[in-house]
Amino acid sequence: AQSVTQLDSQVPVFEEAPVELRCNYSSSVSVYLFWYVQYPNQGLQLLLKYLSGSTLVKGINGFEAEFNKSQTSFHLRKPSVHISDTAEYFCAVSDQRGFKTIFGAGTRLFVKA
Amino acid sequence: DTAVSQTPKYLVTQMGNDKSIKCEQNLGHDTMYWYKQDSKKFLKIMFSYNNKELIINETVPNRFSPKSPDKAHLNLHINSLELGDSAVYFCASSQEGRRGYNEQFFGPGTRLTVL
Repeated sequence: AQSVTQLDSQVPVFEEAPVELRCNYSSSVSVYLFWYVQYPNQGLQLLLKYLSGSTLVKGINGFEAEFNKSQTSFHLRKPSVHISDTAEYFCAVSDQRGFKTIFGAGTRLFVKA
Repeated sequence: DTAVSQTPKYLVTQMGNDKSIKCEQNLGHDTMYWYKQDSKKFLKIMFSYNNKELIINETVPNRFSPKSPDKAHLNLHINSLELGDSAVYFCASSQEGRRGYNEQFFGPGTRLTVL
């Protein structure tokens, strides 16, 4: 079984500052890792995913994440945030058989002017 | 153009009633899901269907019954609604088989309020 822990429930940050949203996972098998974003009153949309290969993955809107197998982490980063990045961010893990994705509890990113 | 659509967007009803939420995807995906998101934003999978067959049923009360008439539709029927059923319900779809990963596409959600 897999599990996902998002270490921060809320992250306030000033506009144009860098941000890191932390995610740790546990699994006894190889996994795929995802970050999704949920804007207010909307469904989730995929930011980026790690399947295999390069441990640094780039996604939409200037976000990137680094897969660290030894630390079982998949932290999300952005070098300079905008007000429009204010949203809920979910880390997720899926085993390689598919069909079931486990989501973390979410991290609320609040970007202040 | 909508990839995954849900109806209705809002649903307000009394305890004890029966209601349905419909979901349709036009992405040609073979797998569909229902998720429940509570007031704290926690997202939990309820059901997963692959090619109209139930694959995952995550200890959901049997008052909840999913129905998949074809690969493009997955509806959720809820009997005897309870206060604790109030939440936002999301439908999602993905294409399995290709490398086995399930990048999911979500609908806009249905906000269910039980009074």
